[in-house]
Amino acid sequence: GQQVQQSPSSLVLQEGENAELQCNFSSTATQLQWFYQSPGGSLVSLLSNPSGTKHTGRLTSTTVTKERRSSLHISSSQTTDSGTYLCAIEANAYKVIFGKGTHLHVLP
Amino acid sequence: ETAVFQTPNYHVTQVGNEVSFNCKQTLGHDTMYWYKQDSKKLLKIMFSYNNKQLIVNETVPRRFSPQSSDKAHLNLRIKSVEPEDSAVYLCASRHRANSDYTFGSGTRLLVI
Repeated sequence: GQQVQQSPSSLVLQEGENAELQCNFSSTATQLQWFYQSPGGSLVSLLSNPSGTKHTGRLTSTTVTKERRSSLHISSSQTTDSGTYLCAIEANAYKVIFGKGTHLHVLP
Repeated sequence: ETAVFQTPNYHVTQVGNEVSFNCKQTLGHDTMYWYKQDSKKLLKIMFSYNNKQLIVNETVPRRFSPQSSDKAHLNLRIKSVEPEDSAVYLCASRHRANSDYTFGSGTRLLVI
């Protein structure tokens, strides 16, 4: 079946450093999304990026569909960025597969 | 306030009991979803519903069933809970395919 692999599984940074998160998926996806889950558990959509490069604030996502990979770059990390970053692909509107996430910890 | 609202926040119950979780969205979205997040934090889609079509993840046990009165509500019923049902259940909605999801704050279920 379809798989979504995220790396690294965890990452510790000093505040101000940049973070690079990777997502690899095993089959064609019509949609790819990045989510953030706070330490308290709330989940929010960050970016939808099925192909190409997309920016929002300090986040940049680059998806190379042919190579079945996406990255999420966080520039100038802040302590409030700490949490889990999840990548999810959709084969169609109703079949969504999540990766296990990258746990980011930003130190002050 | 427009959002996705879930109740209860927490529920503790014994094996074999029936439970029901509520989800309501005030965003005017067309499609609603239930996800299960297990102890390893892995999220899996359980159901999606767009008031015309219910899609069930084939791996979901039959004791789980969604219940919807209109496109703003999608409740989740578990007929006879088992220990492996302990998890966080997240409700979400979105306007259409490929748009962003909005998630509720989750219902944490503990089966003892």
